[in-house]
Amino acid sequence: EDQVTQSPEALRLQEGESSSLNCSYTVSGLRGLFWYRQDPGKGPEFLFTLYSAGEEKEKERLKATLTKKESFLHITAPKPEDSATYLCAVSEFQGAQKLVFGQGTRLTINP
Amino acid sequence: EPEVTQTPSHQVTQMGQEVILRCVPISNHLYFYWYRQILGQKVEFLVSFYNNEISEKSEIFDDQFSVERPDGSNFTLKIRSTKLEDSAMYFCASSQKIAIGEQFFGPGTRLTVL
Repeated sequence: EDQVTQSPEALRLQEGESSSLNCSYTVSGLRGLFWYRQDPGKGPEFLFTLYSAGEEKEKERLKATLTKKESFLHITAPKPEDSATYLCAVSEFQGAQKLVFGQGTRLTINP
Repeated sequence: EPEVTQTPSHQVTQMGQEVILRCVPISNHLYFYWYRQILGQKVEFLVSFYNNEISEKSEIFDDQFSVERPDGSNFTLKIRSTKLEDSAMYFCASSQKIAIGEQFFGPGTRLTVL
């Protein structure tokens, strides 16, 4: 069964303090790994898709990387508006269209 | 920028009642999905829909659930006889191509079953 595990569950940083969030996954054939941002009471907002090991994507202060077993979301010099829950999800090649989500990392950036 | 919309934003119902949750996917998207998120838990897949039929469903999506695309724009989720444990946020999502895979989510409908 597909499994997605994110760590840490929660992370508090000072504004400007860079860090990384981890997503470990177990899937038989990875179609894609997806990062989403979710604000309280809102729907997941798409950030990145990664397809193969070694791939990297960047958007403003965020950079996502992928290996064969895990993905990292690096946050450089974060600002308070980066506070949110970051979700990792995977989809599998074998006909499945569903996304399997991790529990998320709740990120808080203090000013 | 095109977005997925959902109505209502909050639905309160009595146990055993039928509810219909509505979604308008992004207009040129072909694949449609429903997910749910119980408070404090993971986002869980319910069902995917393509070419006017269900393409995949989870164990959660039992006979009490049904989906429909009644016209060219709306996509609905019906729960026939709601249970207390159906209380959750329900998210609609859509994607353009299965090979690319990015799914874009709506803001959700908070369903409260009393």
